[in-house]
Amino acid sequence: RKEVEQDPGPFNVPEGATVAFNCTYSNSASQSFFWYRQDCRKEPKLLMSVYSSGNEDGRFTAQLNRASQYISLLIRDSKLSDSATYLCVVNPPGSNYKLTFGKGTLLTVNP
Amino acid sequence: DTEVTQTPKHLVMGMTNKKSLKCEQHMGHRAMYWYKQKAKKPPELMFVYSYEKLSINESVPSRFSPECPNSSLLNLHLHALQPEDSALYLCASRQVGGNTIYFGEGSWLTVV
Repeated sequence: RKEVEQDPGPFNVPEGATVAFNCTYSNSASQSFFWYRQDCRKEPKLLMSVYSSGNEDGRFTAQLNRASQYISLLIRDSKLSDSATYLCVVNPPGSNYKLTFGKGTLLTVNP
Repeated sequence: DTEVTQTPKHLVMGMTNKKSLKCEQHMGHRAMYWYKQKAKKPPELMFVYSYEKLSINESVPSRFSPECPNSSLLNLHLHALQPEDSALYLCASRQVGGNTIYFGEGSWLTVV
């Protein structure tokens, strides 16, 4: 099992749609989880940290299920500007904060 | 705008050249990173510096040589690279004990 696995995508959705990305991780002792967003030919930028109780930031909701080792990101009312690659990122334990990235899921929001 | 500054933004070098990539941050972060990213792939960790000491080297070939001259600066010295080393090189930093890693805009490297 790969350390971090994401939906392969790509996702093409119309504006206003709700889209969900899923991610699984292999190391059950992992402590920190994140969603990063990367625009074409740009650097990754932190979108959200993912907390055990789940967390929401505007149209974005992140969930963590430790029992299933599963992380999700929900985007509601998607905008054209949400088009990007979404990277699931995990910090395994004892790693000196070495982030492990999923392969990313490309989202295109169409008018 | 990112608070991690990388120069140059673009670099084209021959296989016999010696060049350097530079990274600077003034956020007081004591952990700094070099990542390499190829097209349509996620970033791959190369090196981690913690308190200006190399703490992780992900079996990177010696033609890549990192240097951390002080707590604000991180360099990546390049020598005798191969065309397959062409990629986006990302510098990042983090406050020790903090959760968030901040990436620079990256340096696009082409080896000819």
